[in-house]
This record gives sequence, structure tokens and C-alpha cells, in this order.
Amino acid sequence: AQKVTQAQTEISVVEKEDVTLDCVYETRDTTYYLFWYKQPPSGELVFLIRRNSFDEQNEISGRYSWNFQKSTSSFNFTITASQVVDSAVYFCALSGSGGSNYKLTFGKGTLLTVNP
Amino acid sequence: GAGVSQSPRYKVTKRGQDVALRCDPISGHVSLYWYRQALGQGPEFLTYFNYEAQQDKSGLPNDRFSAERPEGSISTLTIQRTEQRDSAMYRCASSRDHTDTQYFGPGTRLTVL
Repeated sequence: AQKVTQAQTEISVVEKEDVTLDCVYETRDTTYYLFWYKQPPSGELVFLIRRNSFDEQNEISGRYSWNFQKSTSSFNFTITASQVVDSAVYFCALSGSGGSNYKLTFGKGTLLTVNP
Repeated sequence: GAGVSQSPRYKVTKRGQDVALRCDPISGHVSLYWYRQALGQGPEFLTYFNYEAQQDKSGLPNDRFSAERPEGSISTLTIQRTEQRDSAMYRCASSRDHTDTQYFGPGTRLTVL
């Protein structure tokens, strides 16, 4: 069975602070994908990133960066110089290999509030 | 291009009524998924279509829930004899194929009174 744990339920920061959202996963698959999605107050679910389990290189996209560490089964997300528009619920998700590789298993999400 | 669209965006119904939720995937996406998201939780898988074939319905909670995608494009999720516990956000997603990234629609917020 697959599992995604986002231990931080809520985080509150002041604008321009850096913030890291934690994600720990469990899977028996050797090949899998990890994802982050953003759910702003408007409610839609927006795709941010997908990472293959064979690619442990960190990725940076503007103010966003992701740290994938297989040794600790973690896929953490850092926002640098946070802005009010970053306020949202952020979900980490996992899909495995094999016959049900299309199923996304989500964590419970972390509510990030960025205060001006 | 247009993203995944869902209608209605909000649905309020009385217990015992049937509801039909519609999903229009991104053009050309052969894979379509339905998820349910309770308040304060992440989405949970309900069912998956490849073209018009329902390949996996293991996440449907009981036989009051059904889904179809008759022409391999638009999909309908139907809940019969709704109950209060069915209240949730119902999300549809599509992808180019089952190995590709899933893009989600805005969801339908269902409230059963």
C-alpha cells in the first residue's frame, strides 16, 4: 500500500520569508512518481511538478524548489521569498508502477498562509 | 488551450435525490479519472477510464455510485439516492495517457441536505 504523509497541517509565515513544506512517502514500488499540487482559495487543483523516482536531482523553478531524497523517502518543497499569492493548500502525491500506476495517493495537505 | 471543465460547480440536493456530475476533459486526453475530496483531506481515487472503457472502479464507495464515458470524451458521475455522507468536492482529472500527468478540473462541490 502507498502512503503520503504531510505532517505540517498549517504553516503561517510573513511575506518574504522562506518556507519548506515536508512530504514523506511510503511505497514498495521501485519505480514511482511524486507530485506537488496547489489548491488556492478559489478551490482548483493546480499541477506544480512531477518527479520520477530515478531522478534525484533537485529542481528549481523561479521561487520554487524541490528536494527529493530517496534515502529518507522525502520530497520537500521550498518557496523562497514567499508572497501573499502563495497562500494555498499544498498537496504532495504519489503514483506507483504496475497495473494501478494511474492512481494518485495524496497526503492530507498543508495549509500555507503568507501574511503581508 | 482549455483545461478540464466540470459542471455544475456547486450542487445542493436533498437526501434521496439522484445527482449527475459532468466532466469535460482536455481535448485529446484519453485517460479520465474521478476523485472525491472531503473537507481537510486530499483527493481520493474513485474510478478511471481509458477512452470509453472503465478500467478501474475500485474506489467507488458503493453501488449508488456509477460513472460512464460513452464516447470517450465527456464523463458523467452519477450518485443515486444521495446521503449526507456523500457531501464532498468531486474532482475530475484527465491525462494524455495513464502514465502522464493528471490535470484537474475545478471540481463540483456537492452538498446533500
